[in-house]
Amino acid sequence: QKEVEQNSGPLSVPEGAIASLNCTYSDRGSQSFFWYRQYSGKSPELIMFIYSNGDKEDGRFTAQLNKASQYVSLLIRDSQPSDSATYLCAVPISGGYNKLIFGAGTRLAVHP
Amino acid sequence: DGGITQSPKYLFRKEGQNVTLSCEQNLNHDAMYWYRQDPGQGLRLIYYSQIVNDFQKGDIAEGYSVSREKKESFPLTVTSAQKNPTAFYLCASSAFQGHTEAFFGQGTRLTVV
Repeated sequence: QKEVEQNSGPLSVPEGAIASLNCTYSDRGSQSFFWYRQYSGKSPELIMFIYSNGDKEDGRFTAQLNKASQYVSLLIRDSQPSDSATYLCAVPISGGYNKLIFGAGTRLAVHP
Repeated sequence: DGGITQSPKYLFRKEGQNVTLSCEQNLNHDAMYWYRQDPGQGLRLIYYSQIVNDFQKGDIAEGYSVSREKKESFPLTVTSAQKNPTAFYLCASSAFQGHTEAFFGQGTRLTVV
């Protein structure tokens, strides 16, 4: 089992719709979870982080965490063509060293 | 301005050569990382370091080497033992304690010619 798993996509949604991106992780000891956005040819940029079970909202973005199910998701409301990118889930693996592991990423395409 | 600087942006390597990718940060972060990204793929961890003079192998360390002699610097050497080095290399740093989000440099695109 991979440490962090995401569906590779592409996920295609119409402009204005809600995009839902999912991530599962294997380490039950993980305490923090990060979502990055990466445009083609660019480096990843942090868009959300979440530490506690439940929802965390920031503008059009909502991160959802369920530690019992080892599942974290990202919702993008009112999707825009500029949201078209690859979204990477990242999880620090517990055990003393801050080993930050990324999922393979989900490619999102928002079409007008 | 605080940030992470990677150089060069583009690098060409001949078969059998060693090349070194530079990564410098002025964020006073303890942890630094090197990732490799192939086209259409996610980030795979090569090496990471929590403190000066200490570093750990990631998932794909074979054919790579690093050093951490200063807190600000974490250079990556791609050796001739790395048989398929063409990729996008990303350096990142994060605070060791508390929030652990990583911040990235702009990347180095390495091509074997």
